[in-house]
Amino acid sequence: NAGVTQTPKFRILKIGQSMTLQCTQDMNHNYMYWYRQDPGMGLKLIYYSVGAGITDKGEVPNGYNVSRSTTEDFPLRLELAAPSQTSVYFCASSYSVREAKNIQYFGAGTRLSVL
Amino acid sequence: AQSVTQLGSHVSVSEGALVLLRCNYSSSVPPYLFWYVQYPNQGLQLLLKYTTGATLVKGINGFEAEFKKSETSFHLTKPSAHMSDAAEYFCAVIGGFKTIFGAGTRLFVKA
Repeated sequence: NAGVTQTPKFRILKIGQSMTLQCTQDMNHNYMYWYRQDPGMGLKLIYYSVGAGITDKGEVPNGYNVSRSTTEDFPLRLELAAPSQTSVYFCASSYSVREAKNIQYFGAGTRLSVL
Repeated sequence: AQSVTQLGSHVSVSEGALVLLRCNYSSSVPPYLFWYVQYPNQGLQLLLKYTTGATLVKGINGFEAEFKKSETSFHLTKPSAHMSDAAEYFCAVIGGFKTIFGAGTRLFVKA
């Protein structure tokens, strides 16, 4: 059981380039999330999805886009990379959003540098 | 709105010593509280959670946390630190259907 898989693990982008961070889960979870983690700042929610075809903005959505065409996949798109997007990105999924059962399962992360 | 505050961005203990990582929460409704652990170069994984019922919650690897409503706290403890406990620990509270994470506390364990 692979859980949540993120690719790539590392990437260096030039300013203005675009890329897609891939995320797939094999647990049949309806709920998926993208976070960014900056030192000393915890995790900030970028976008989330409650099911295929349904996405919504989180706390820090500017500069990012997402899509959810299948239950398994939740890619994150950076259109015009900026240095402020240098961060570690985590994808997560959960099988329920009922508070007591909202346990999130995380991928190993993508470390992105924009130079 | 729900929030959590972790006191201390870094904590250093000797191997075999008590581990105490502090978390205070703010919530307008009965909170659902979690501790997650992040080992180097990995994603977060659940350590333990408090929902309702018993206020002392036991998790994996010998960790436990006590929910104290009067102090709005959910501190994480372990009686005896092991080198393998070196990691970053995040306190979290459920806000609606989102999880709100604290800034994290990095635990260092000295031999």
